[in-house]
Amino acid sequence: GENVEQHPSTLSVQEGDSAVIKCTYSDSASNYFPWYKQELGKRPQLIIDIRSNVGEKKDQRIAVTLNKTAKHFSLHITETQPEDSAVYFCAALNSGGSNYKLTFGKGTLLTVNP
Amino acid sequence: ETGVTQSPTHLIKTRGQQVTLRCSSQSGHNTVSWYQQALGQGPQFIFQYYREEENGRGNFPPRFSGLQFPNYSSELNVNALELDDSALYLCASSPTRGAEKLFFGSGTQLSVL
Repeated sequence: GENVEQHPSTLSVQEGDSAVIKCTYSDSASNYFPWYKQELGKRPQLIIDIRSNVGEKKDQRIAVTLNKTAKHFSLHITETQPEDSAVYFCAALNSGGSNYKLTFGKGTLLTVNP
Repeated sequence: ETGVTQSPTHLIKTRGQQVTLRCSSQSGHNTVSWYQQALGQGPQFIFQYYREEENGRGNFPPRFSGLQFPNYSSELNVNALELDDSALYLCASSPTRGAEKLFFGSGTQLSVL
């Protein structure tokens, strides 16, 4: 089955700096890669997603890149703000299969220091 | 447009008991899935329903079972509770048949003593 590894497990940056979180996946059939943000005690919320036919996607200060050959994808947050502090999860899905199983990484705790 | 709602928010059970958790999907979504999130971990996929039929299952034993109703609400049932079942149980709904664009509920915190 699919295995998603996420690094680093914790990341601390100064406000205004950039943050990068990296994930690798094992199943070459995976074709959909979302990122979720979970603030303390709250529900995970989708912040950006990318499909395997696209190499990069951007939404304001957030971008995701995908390297299918290397089977890794990354989340980039620019000009970080204290409200970006949360746990971020990457995930991978084979949306063309018969078993729709979304596999999550273990999460990265991002702390943005004012 | 209402979001995904789950009940109850907290629950305490003892080992060996049975529990039923409930979820109402976001309006217009006909896919619902359930996840178990242990403290400090990512959500683990339990199963998914599309139009009342199971169309995906993770690595959980048969004592984890579920239902989706005609109004697309859902239940998660867990029999013979074990201490390791203590976790946050998240329900999510999606506008697609797969697990894309998931909208999560706030979860049910289950404690097994």
